[in-house]
Amino acid sequence: GAVVSQHPSWVICKSGTSVKIECRSLDFQATTMFWYRQFPKQSLMLMATSNEGSKATYEQGVEKDKFLINHASLTLSTLTVTSAHPEDSSFYICSAIGLERGGDEQFFGPGTRLTVL
Amino acid sequence: AQTVTQSQPEMSVQEAETVTLSCTYDTSESNYYLFWYKQPPSRQMILVIRQEAYKQQNATENRFSVNFQKAAKSFSLKISDSQLGDTAMYFCAFAYEKLTFGTGTRLTIIP
Repeated sequence: GAVVSQHPSWVICKSGTSVKIECRSLDFQATTMFWYRQFPKQSLMLMATSNEGSKATYEQGVEKDKFLINHASLTLSTLTVTSAHPEDSSFYICSAIGLERGGDEQFFGPGTRLTVL
Repeated sequence: AQTVTQSQPEMSVQEAETVTLSCTYDTSESNYYLFWYKQPPSRQMILVIRQEAYKQQNATENRFSVNFQKAAKSFSLKISDSQLGDTAMYFCAFAYEKLTFGTGTRLTIIP
């Protein structure tokens, strides 16, 4: 299958600081990338969808000014959590779709655990 | 909006037995995809099996098979000859423009 990486895998930050998480498609061009949030023992909740070169589309209830998403290239999307607070602590997962990979299956990254102190 | 329901929060079976995980969904769409994902303790999402709604034939992948009942909007996963490595969280997911996940079933295979 296609490979999607995330960096960092785990990050701890102080309240009020910003944190950037990278999502890369390593062996295909990702026309669309998705960002999910997963609380402990819960399901994945879609936060936003981003297409290369376009503004991200956020799901209802997700603060676009807090969760900044950039999809500047066909292999990289970034999620920046601005002015992070303890309630933003969670597991963040990205996924990607590529036309060369069929265009209908999402390939998931390994996730990033964010802890805000 | 689409919804996906998994009514079994937890299940456990003996190794080598067969287990079936249930999933129902609600949609007004006719063309869509359904998936089962496995999330082991590493939390990496792994695709187990997929089903295109326009296909009547149930998908199979080695020990994994589905029972897709489109009219009933049901999509259950059967795991045959269960193995210790099958222990994980299993999510049913509906795909139409985006993925909508169920709440998950925690499956434990007992040695």
